[in-house]
Amino acid sequence: KQEVTQIPAALSVPEGENLVLNCSFTDSAIYNLQWFRQDPGKGLTSLLLIQSSQREQTSGRLNASLDKSSGRSTLYIAASQPGDSATYLCAARENTGNQFYFGTGTSLTVIP
Amino acid sequence: EPEVTQTPSHQVTQMGQEVILRCVPISNHLYFYWYRQILGQKVEFLVSFYNNEISEKSEIFDDQFSVERPDGSNFTLKIRSTKLEDSAMYFCASTRRVHEQYFGPGTRLTVT
Repeated sequence: KQEVTQIPAALSVPEGENLVLNCSFTDSAIYNLQWFRQDPGKGLTSLLLIQSSQREQTSGRLNASLDKSSGRSTLYIAASQPGDSATYLCAARENTGNQFYFGTGTSLTVIP
Repeated sequence: EPEVTQTPSHQVTQMGQEVILRCVPISNHLYFYWYRQILGQKVEFLVSFYNNEISEKSEIFDDQFSVERPDGSNFTLKIRSTKLEDSAMYFCASTRRVHEQYFGPGTRLTVT
């Protein structure tokens, strides 16, 4: 069974700083990996999806990378803003099956 | 932009009662999912649904749970006899094919 881990569990940075969130998965046979944002008490907003054949995806200030061989993905946020404060989740879909396996998330606070 | 909608946003029920959670997936999507998130824990997969049948389910999705697509737009999750431990946020998601999943805002279920 796929196990997904996110480190750190919480992160606090001053506004303007660049930061990296980490996601590790145990089984490299993934189909794709998706990063989400979750605001308190809210649903999940899709940020980026990386297919297994891709190394990275970019959207605005966000860049996600994928290294299947090492079982890692990172989410890079450039020039952080207070509005980026939220919990960030990664989820991996395996080659077999339809379900995503979620990590426990990283709670990000950007201090003005 | 199309989005997944869920009703109700909050449901309070007594232990042993039946509840039905409703979702309207994005109209041209083909795969539908239910997930749950117990407070402070990971998002957990419950079930996936394709072509009017369950395509995959987790260990959590026991005989107390059922899903249905009663018409061309709604997708429902029924819990026959709720338990205290069913209290959680329930998320519906949909995807066109094996691409990124789009999540609804969730239904908070409180079992008393």
